[in-house]
Amino acid sequence: QQQVKQSPQSLIVQKGGISIINCAYENTAFDYFPWYQQFPGKGPALLIAIRPDVSEKKEGRFTISFNKSAKQFSLHIMDSQPGDSATYFCAASMEYGNKLVFGAGTILRVKS
Amino acid sequence: DGGITQSPKYLFRKEGQNVTLSCEQNLNHDAMYWYRQDPGQGLRLIYYSQIVNDFQKGDIAEGYSVSREKKESFPLTVTSAQKNPTAFYLCASMGPGNTIYFGEGSWLTVV
Repeated sequence: QQQVKQSPQSLIVQKGGISIINCAYENTAFDYFPWYQQFPGKGPALLIAIRPDVSEKKEGRFTISFNKSAKQFSLHIMDSQPGDSATYFCAASMEYGNKLVFGAGTILRVKS
Repeated sequence: DGGITQSPKYLFRKEGQNVTLSCEQNLNHDAMYWYRQDPGQGLRLIYYSQIVNDFQKGDIAEGYSVSREKKESFPLTVTSAQKNPTAFYLCASMGPGNTIYFGEGSWLTVV
């Protein structure tokens, strides 16, 4: 069964700290791994994405680390800010974005 | 403004009633999707459509139906066969680079 397991379920970080969210997948045919950010009552928005031929991708304060052999990928938010407080979803797909499978989500709270 | 418009934002359904959620996009995207979001379970795919007049079941299609008569529109009907319909429903479309864009969502509650 196609599954993406996400942890932790919730996370509290001090302002300026590093937030780390982890995901693990089972299907080695997955070839596209995006992260989405969702604020309460809103639809998710794409934050950053990676393909398995790259081990790391950085965009501003957000970095994806990808470990193909371990079938794991993680999101790192550097210098976390209260405005980063949201729910974060990892996802994976086999057809470059068609039919995404989502993790259960991580509720991040950044304390000021 | 370009984007995905879902309506209504809030909808209440009585037992045994069918309800339809609207999804319209003016992004000229071919592929459109419906997801259901429950607390602690992430997003689950209900139906998707890659072209007009064609659609496929997702992981949890039972109790739902869709149509794709126009490129811009992909309505979702929650039928009385869906026994636990209370959830947040998200419509999405796929744009350049195969990025999936979401609408603002619709809350459905059974009363």
